[in-house]
Amino acid sequence: ELKVEQNPLFLSMQEGKNYTIYCNYSTTSDRLYWYRQDPGKSLESLFVLLSNGAVKQEGRLMASLDTKARLSTLHITAAVHDLSATYFCAVVPNAGGTSYGKLTFGQGTILTVHP
Amino acid sequence: NAGVMQNPRHLVRRRGQEARLRCSPMKGHSHVYWYRQLPEEGLKFMVYLQKENIIDESGMPKERFSAEFPKEGPSILRIQQVVRGDSAAYFCASSPPGLAGGDTQYFGPGTRLTVL
Repeated sequence: ELKVEQNPLFLSMQEGKNYTIYCNYSTTSDRLYWYRQDPGKSLESLFVLLSNGAVKQEGRLMASLDTKARLSTLHITAAVHDLSATYFCAVVPNAGGTSYGKLTFGQGTILTVHP
Repeated sequence: NAGVMQNPRHLVRRRGQEARLRCSPMKGHSHVYWYRQLPEEGLKFMVYLQKENIIDESGMPKERFSAEFPKEGPSILRIQQVVRGDSAAYFCASSPPGLAGGDTQYFGPGTRLTVL
C-alpha cells in the first residue's frame, strides 16, 4: 500500500523567513502534485512534477522531485501572511504502465505565517 | 470555462436518511474521481469513474456507498442510511481524457455532509 508522509504537520513561521516542507512516499512514482487548501475551501493545484529532478517555481514557492529518494520538497522563500494555508502533496503510483490519476495524499502541513 | 461543479455545497441529513451528492466535471473532462476528507485529515480516494464505467472503487466502503457517472448528466455519489461517521467533506475532481495519470486533477468546491 502506498504511503505518503509529510513533515512537518504544523509549521508556524515569521514573515520573511524561509522553510521547507518535505513529502516522502513509499513506492515508485514519477508523478507528484502539490495542492493548497484554505480553510473550508477546495484544493488549488500548485505544481505538477512529472520527472526526476523536476523543479518548478511560482512566486515564493518552489517544488522539486527526487524520484530515486522518493522525496519532494516545497520550499517557501520570504514567507508572507497570504501563504497561510494547508499544503498537501499527492502521489500517483506507477502501476506497470497502467497507472491513472488515483491520488494518494499526505496528511497535509498546516502553515501559519505570523507578522 | 466553468470549473468542476458540485452540489449541494452543504447537506444535512439525519441518521438513516440517504445523501445524494452531484458532480459535474469540467467541460471536456471524462474522468471523475471522488475523495473524502474527514475532519483534520487529508483526502482519501474513494472511486474513479469514466462515462458509464466504474474503473476503480477500491476506496469505497463495502456497504451503503455507490457511485455512477451516466452517459448524460452529472456523476452521483450516493450514501444510503447515513451514520454520523459519514460526516465529512466530499470532493469531486475531474481530468481530461487520455492518460489521466499525467494530468492535473481539478477539484470542485466540495460538499460538506453533516449527519445529525
